[in-house]
Amino acid sequence: GENVEQHPSTLSVQEGDSAVIKCTYSDSASNYFPWYKQELGKRPQLIIDIRSNVGEKKDQRIAVTLNKTAKHFSLHITETQPEDSAVYFCAANLGGGGADGLTFGKGTHLIIQP
Amino acid sequence: GAGVSQSPSNKVTEKGKDVELRCDPISGHTALYWYRQRLGQGLEFLIYFQGNSAPDKSGLPSDRFSAERTGESVSTLTIQRTQQEDSAVYLCASSFAARIQYFGAGTRLSVL
Repeated sequence: GENVEQHPSTLSVQEGDSAVIKCTYSDSASNYFPWYKQELGKRPQLIIDIRSNVGEKKDQRIAVTLNKTAKHFSLHITETQPEDSAVYFCAANLGGGGADGLTFGKGTHLIIQP
Repeated sequence: GAGVSQSPSNKVTEKGKDVELRCDPISGHTALYWYRQRLGQGLEFLIYFQGNSAPDKSGLPSDRFSAERTGESVSTLTIQRTQQEDSAVYLCASSFAARIQYFGAGTRLSVL
């Protein structure tokens, strides 16, 4: 099955700086890679996603890059703000066979220092 | 419109009891997923329903866990003979063809 590794587990950055979270996946058949933000005690919320036919996608201060050959994808947050503090999860679909369940990374606790 | 609704929001039970968790997906969403999230951990895939196809049960951790869904509506996740290690937040998500999954607020299960 799919295995998703996420690094780092904790990331502390100064407000205004950039943050990068990296994930690798094992199943070459995976073709959908969403990122979720989970604030303390709340449900995960999709913030951006990318499909395997695209190498990069941007949405304001957030961008995701995908390297299919290396099987890794990254989340980039620029000009970080206090409200960016949360746990971020990457995920990959189980791939092939039509299954759409997601395998999640273990999460990155992003801390924005004022 | 209404999002994914889960009930109860909290459930405390005694070891050995059975529990049933409910999920109401977003209307029109053909796919429904259950995940488990232990305290401070990531989300663990449990089961996936797509329309009238046979569900993908590959993530269920033991035969004490089962889930049902009638058509494209409500789903129930049942845990029999609960154990303390079953304590977690159980999250439900639903999606339409675009694969974007929308999560419910979860059911926090505590097994004493």
